[in-house]
Amino acid sequence: LLTQSPATLSASPGETATLSCRASQSVSDDLAWYQQKPGQAPRLLIYAASIRATGIPARISGRGSGTEFTLTISGLQSEDFAVYYCQQYNVWPTWTFGQGTKVDFK
Amino acid sequence: QVHLQESGPGLVKASETMSLTCSVSGDSIRSYYWSWIRQPAGKGLEWLGRIYSSGTTDYNPSLKSRINMSVDTSKGHIYLKLTSVSAADTATYYCARYYSGTYFEYWGQGILVTVSS
Repeated sequence: LLTQSPATLSASPGETATLSCRASQSVSDDLAWYQQKPGQAPRLLIYAASIRATGIPARISGRGSGTEFTLTISGLQSEDFAVYYCQQYNVWPTWTFGQGTKVDFK
Repeated sequence: QVHLQESGPGLVKASETMSLTCSVSGDSIRSYYWSWIRQPAGKGLEWLGRIYSSGTTDYNPSLKSRINMSVDTSKGHIYLKLTSVSAADTATYYCARYYSGTYFEYWGQGILVTVSS
């Protein structure tokens, strides 16, 4: 089970947003982060807890291992206001997602 | 560039079977895992199951008795069937490609399926 916090994060452009994802048991570094904008499919941002997917800017970073993970977005830009999901791919029999964190304008 | 496109009826009657198709272009289906994921409006993502290009499947235990996935590598299609649908199955359904059976690197745009009573 993945628990994301906070449910909603209110921030202003230029600020830094830090999102948390906690696993109920160790998932090693088998964790990915996705961004989803309204009406769109999720987009892969980070895999293996800290590796940016192709085309993802350096201001988006992930870290953590075991049960505690964070996604940090530095210098928030307008296109960063979205919902973010974490996903684990370590514990079988299902791949599970967190419930999401919405980053909205303060 | 890999492109995934879901298709199928947008409206299904309760108790009937929902059938969706994911059409893959830009790469072969072979040697990859493919998955279906759904999302009720305003809610989170639920993994439904996965299929390897050989046809081997794994399903979410919560749906195991109602779900079936199949693949046609010659057509580049992945199929989802969900039987005995109810209002709780109303959602946007996405197909996605795994990287080595781990995270989802490519997603379709999704198709909204509404179950009517």
